[in-house]
Amino acid sequence: QKEVEQDPGPLSVPEGAIVSLNCTYSNSAFQYFMWYRQYSRKGPELLMYTYSSGNKEDGRFTAQVDKSSKYISLFIRDSQPSDSATYLCAMGYSGNTPLVFGKGTRLSVIA
Amino acid sequence: EADIYQTPRYLVIGTGKKITLECSQTMGHDKMYWYQQDPGMELHLIHYSYGVNSTEKGDLSSESTVSRIRTEHFPLTLESARPSHTSQYLCASSELGRSPYEQYFGPGTRLTVT
Repeated sequence: QKEVEQDPGPLSVPEGAIVSLNCTYSNSAFQYFMWYRQYSRKGPELLMYTYSSGNKEDGRFTAQVDKSSKYISLFIRDSQPSDSATYLCAMGYSGNTPLVFGKGTRLSVIA
Repeated sequence: EADIYQTPRYLVIGTGKKITLECSQTMGHDKMYWYQQDPGMELHLIHYSYGVNSTEKGDLSSESTVSRIRTEHFPLTLESARPSHTSQYLCASSELGRSPYEQYFGPGTRLTVT
Protein backbone atom coordinates (compact mmCIF):
# COMPACT_ATOMS: atom_id res chain seq x y z
CA GLN A 1 0.00 0.00 0.00
CA LYS A 2 1.38 3.41 -0.94
CA GLU A 3 1.79 5.85 1.92
CA VAL A 4 -0.19 8.54 0.08
CA GLU A 5 -3.00 7.87 -2.37
CA GLN A 6 -4.42 10.50 -4.69
CA ASP A 7 -6.81 10.03 -7.59
CA PRO A 8 -5.00 11.36 -10.68
CA GLY A 9 -8.23 12.37 -12.42
CA PRO A 10 -8.53 14.14 -14.77
CA LEU A 11 -11.26 16.22 -13.21
CA SER A 12 -13.20 18.64 -15.40
CA VAL A 13 -15.60 21.20 -13.90
CA PRO A 14 -17.44 24.30 -15.16
CA GLU A 15 -16.29 27.74 -14.11
CA GLY A 16 -17.75 28.75 -10.74
CA ALA A 17 -18.04 25.20 -9.43
CA ILE A 18 -16.80 24.10 -6.03
CA VAL A 19 -13.97 21.64 -6.43
CA SER A 20 -13.00 19.01 -3.90
CA LEU A 21 -9.60 17.35 -4.15
CA ASN A 22 -8.64 14.57 -1.76
CA CYS A 23 -5.81 12.38 -0.54
CA THR A 24 -5.71 9.47 1.84
CA TYR A 25 -2.68 8.27 3.72
CA SER A 26 -1.67 5.26 5.73
CA ASN A 27 0.96 6.56 8.12
CA SER A 28 -0.48 8.09 11.26
CA ALA A 29 2.88 9.71 12.04
CA PHE A 30 2.37 12.38 9.38
CA GLN A 31 2.05 15.82 10.96
CA TYR A 32 2.58 18.19 8.05
CA PHE A 33 0.09 18.35 5.20
CA MET A 34 0.73 20.37 2.10
CA TRP A 35 -0.98 21.18 -1.16
CA TYR A 36 1.10 22.15 -4.16
CA ARG A 37 -0.19 23.46 -7.49
CA GLN A 38 1.71 22.68 -10.68
CA TYR A 39 0.97 24.36 -13.97
CA SER A 40 1.98 22.65 -17.18
CA ARG A 41 5.75 22.76 -17.79
CA LYS A 42 6.38 24.48 -14.46
CA GLY A 43 7.60 23.37 -11.05
CA PRO A 44 5.12 22.89 -8.19
CA GLU A 45 4.32 25.90 -6.00
CA LEU A 46 3.15 25.68 -2.41
CA LEU A 47 -0.52 26.54 -2.15
CA MET A 48 -1.40 25.71 1.44
CA TYR A 49 0.17 24.06 4.42
CA THR A 50 -1.38 22.66 7.61
CA TYR A 51 0.32 21.35 10.67
CA SER A 52 -1.50 18.55 12.52
CA SER A 53 -5.27 18.67 12.13
CA GLY A 54 -8.01 21.15 11.42
CA ASN A 55 -8.94 23.58 8.68
CA LYS A 56 -7.14 26.42 7.03
CA GLU A 57 -8.65 28.98 4.71
CA ASP A 58 -6.94 31.29 2.23
CA GLY A 59 -9.21 33.19 -0.10
CA ARG A 60 -11.06 30.72 -2.31
CA PHE A 61 -9.02 27.78 -0.97
CA THR A 62 -9.71 25.69 2.13
CA ALA A 63 -7.54 22.84 3.34
CA GLN A 64 -8.93 20.26 5.74
CA VAL A 65 -7.18 17.50 7.64
CA ASP A 66 -9.03 14.62 9.29
CA LYS A 67 -6.38 12.62 11.09
CA SER A 68 -8.87 10.10 12.48
CA SER A 69 -9.80 9.10 8.93
CA LYS A 70 -6.31 9.74 7.50
CA TYR A 71 -7.88 11.97 4.88
CA ILE A 72 -7.07 15.44 3.65
CA SER A 73 -9.01 17.70 1.32
CA LEU A 74 -8.55 20.87 -0.66
CA PHE A 75 -11.67 22.84 -1.59
CA ILE A 76 -11.67 25.49 -4.28
CA ARG A 77 -14.67 27.81 -4.31
CA ASP A 78 -15.80 29.75 -7.37
CA SER A 79 -13.30 27.90 -9.52
CA GLN A 80 -11.67 29.82 -12.37
CA PRO A 81 -10.03 28.68 -15.61
CA SER A 82 -6.76 29.90 -14.09
CA ASP A 83 -7.14 27.15 -11.46
CA SER A 84 -6.58 24.55 -14.19
CA ALA A 85 -3.46 22.73 -13.05
CA THR A 86 -2.29 19.59 -11.33
CA TYR A 87 -2.74 19.62 -7.57
CA LEU A 88 -0.35 17.51 -5.51
CA CYS A 89 -0.80 16.63 -1.89
CA ALA A 90 2.31 16.01 0.19
CA MET A 91 2.95 14.93 3.75
CA GLY A 92 5.81 14.79 6.20
CA TYR A 93 6.69 13.54 9.67
CA SER A 94 9.11 16.07 11.06
CA GLY A 95 11.60 18.67 10.07
CA ASN A 96 14.33 16.44 8.77
CA THR A 97 12.47 13.75 6.90
CA PRO A 98 11.56 13.94 3.23
CA LEU A 99 8.11 14.83 1.99
CA VAL A 100 5.94 12.07 0.53
CA PHE A 101 3.95 13.21 -2.48
CA GLY A 102 0.74 11.96 -4.05
CA LYS A 103 0.52 11.46 -7.80
CA GLY A 104 -1.39 14.70 -8.29
CA THR A 105 -4.91 15.35 -9.60
CA ARG A 106 -5.21 17.12 -12.92
CA LEU A 107 -7.98 19.72 -12.83
CA SER A 108 -9.53 21.53 -15.77
CA VAL A 109 -11.95 24.41 -15.18
CA ILE A 110 -13.97 25.09 -18.29
CA ALA A 111 -15.16 28.65 -19.04
CA GLU B 1 8.22 34.65 -6.35
CA ALA B 2 10.89 32.10 -5.63
CA ASP B 3 14.31 32.64 -7.15
CA ILE B 4 15.41 29.16 -8.07
CA TYR B 5 16.79 28.40 -11.48
CA GLN B 6 17.44 25.25 -13.45
CA THR B 7 19.41 24.81 -16.63
CA PRO B 8 18.99 23.49 -19.17
CA ARG B 9 15.18 23.48 -19.36
CA TYR B 10 15.20 20.78 -22.03
CA LEU B 11 17.95 18.33 -22.96
CA VAL B 12 18.04 15.57 -25.54
CA ILE B 13 21.21 13.52 -25.37
CA GLY B 14 22.56 10.17 -26.49
CA THR B 15 23.17 7.11 -24.38
CA GLY B 16 26.47 7.03 -22.53
CA LYS B 17 26.98 10.78 -22.32
CA LYS B 18 27.82 12.54 -19.08
CA ILE B 19 25.22 15.11 -18.01
CA THR B 20 25.17 17.80 -15.36
CA LEU B 21 21.88 19.46 -14.48
CA GLU B 22 22.34 22.83 -12.84
CA CYS B 23 20.31 24.27 -9.98
CA SER B 24 20.87 27.61 -8.31
CA GLN B 25 18.91 29.63 -5.77
CA THR B 26 19.42 33.19 -4.62
CA MET B 27 17.38 32.99 -1.42
CA GLY B 28 20.20 31.75 0.83
CA HIS B 29 18.29 28.58 1.65
CA ASP B 30 20.25 25.88 3.43
CA LYS B 31 18.16 22.93 2.28
CA MET B 32 18.09 21.83 -1.34
CA TYR B 33 16.49 18.84 -3.05
CA TRP B 34 16.38 16.99 -6.34
CA TYR B 35 13.18 15.21 -7.37
CA GLN B 36 12.32 13.04 -10.34
CA GLN B 37 8.83 13.35 -11.81
CA ASP B 38 7.35 11.09 -14.48
CA PRO B 39 3.94 11.87 -16.05
CA GLY B 40 1.09 10.84 -13.76
CA MET B 41 3.46 9.66 -11.07
CA GLU B 42 4.56 10.93 -7.68
CA LEU B 43 7.54 13.17 -7.19
CA HIS B 44 10.37 11.00 -5.95
CA LEU B 45 13.21 12.45 -3.91
CA ILE B 46 16.58 11.37 -5.31
CA HIS B 47 19.01 13.59 -3.39
CA TYR B 48 18.95 16.29 -0.74
CA SER B 49 21.32 18.53 1.14
CA TYR B 50 20.98 20.38 4.42
CA GLY B 51 23.97 22.63 3.86
CA VAL B 52 27.41 22.97 2.34
CA ASN B 53 29.29 19.66 2.12
CA SER B 54 26.17 17.75 3.22
CA THR B 55 24.42 15.41 0.77
CA GLU B 56 22.07 12.48 1.27
CA LYS B 57 20.36 9.97 -1.02
CA GLY B 58 16.59 10.06 -1.17
CA ASP B 59 14.06 7.28 -1.33
CA LEU B 60 14.47 6.61 -5.04
CA SER B 61 17.51 4.65 -6.08
CA SER B 62 19.44 6.76 -8.50
CA GLU B 63 22.64 6.47 -10.48
CA SER B 64 23.17 10.20 -10.20
CA THR B 65 25.46 12.09 -7.85
CA VAL B 66 25.26 15.57 -6.35
CA SER B 67 27.59 18.06 -4.75
CA ARG B 68 27.07 21.08 -2.48
CA ILE B 69 30.18 23.20 -2.46
CA ARG B 70 28.33 26.50 -2.30
CA THR B 71 25.06 27.28 -0.54
CA GLU B 72 23.38 28.53 -3.68
CA HIS B 73 24.42 25.76 -6.06
CA PHE B 74 23.34 22.09 -6.13
CA PRO B 75 24.23 20.36 -9.41
CA LEU B 76 23.17 16.83 -10.27
CA THR B 77 25.41 14.65 -12.45
CA LEU B 78 24.72 11.50 -14.45
CA GLU B 79 28.03 9.88 -15.42
CA SER B 80 26.54 7.78 -18.21
CA ALA B 81 23.04 8.58 -19.39
CA ARG B 82 20.63 5.79 -20.28
CA PRO B 83 17.11 5.83 -21.78
CA SER B 84 15.76 4.87 -18.32
CA HIS B 85 16.95 8.28 -17.09
CA THR B 86 14.42 10.01 -19.34
CA SER B 87 12.27 12.05 -16.99
CA GLN B 88 11.63 15.52 -15.55
CA TYR B 89 14.07 16.60 -12.85
CA LEU B 90 12.95 19.21 -10.34
CA CYS B 91 15.17 21.11 -7.95
CA ALA B 92 13.78 22.68 -4.77
CA SER B 93 15.00 24.59 -1.75
CA SER B 94 13.73 25.49 1.70
CA GLU B 95 14.85 27.65 4.57
CA LEU B 96 16.33 26.10 7.69
CA GLY B 97 14.35 27.06 10.75
CA ARG B 98 11.08 27.65 8.95
CA SER B 99 8.59 24.95 8.11
CA PRO B 100 10.75 22.23 6.54
CA TYR B 101 8.17 21.62 3.91
CA GLU B 102 7.77 25.09 2.48
CA GLN B 103 9.79 24.10 -0.50
CA TYR B 104 10.29 26.33 -3.50
CA PHE B 105 10.66 24.54 -6.81
CA GLY B 106 12.52 25.44 -9.95
CA PRO B 107 10.89 25.08 -13.39
CA GLY B 108 12.43 21.67 -14.01
CA THR B 109 14.70 20.09 -16.60
CA ARG B 110 13.06 17.73 -19.04
CA LEU B 111 15.67 15.12 -20.00
CA THR B 112 15.36 12.73 -22.92
CA VAL B 113 18.05 10.11 -23.45
CA THR B 114 18.00 8.49 -26.88
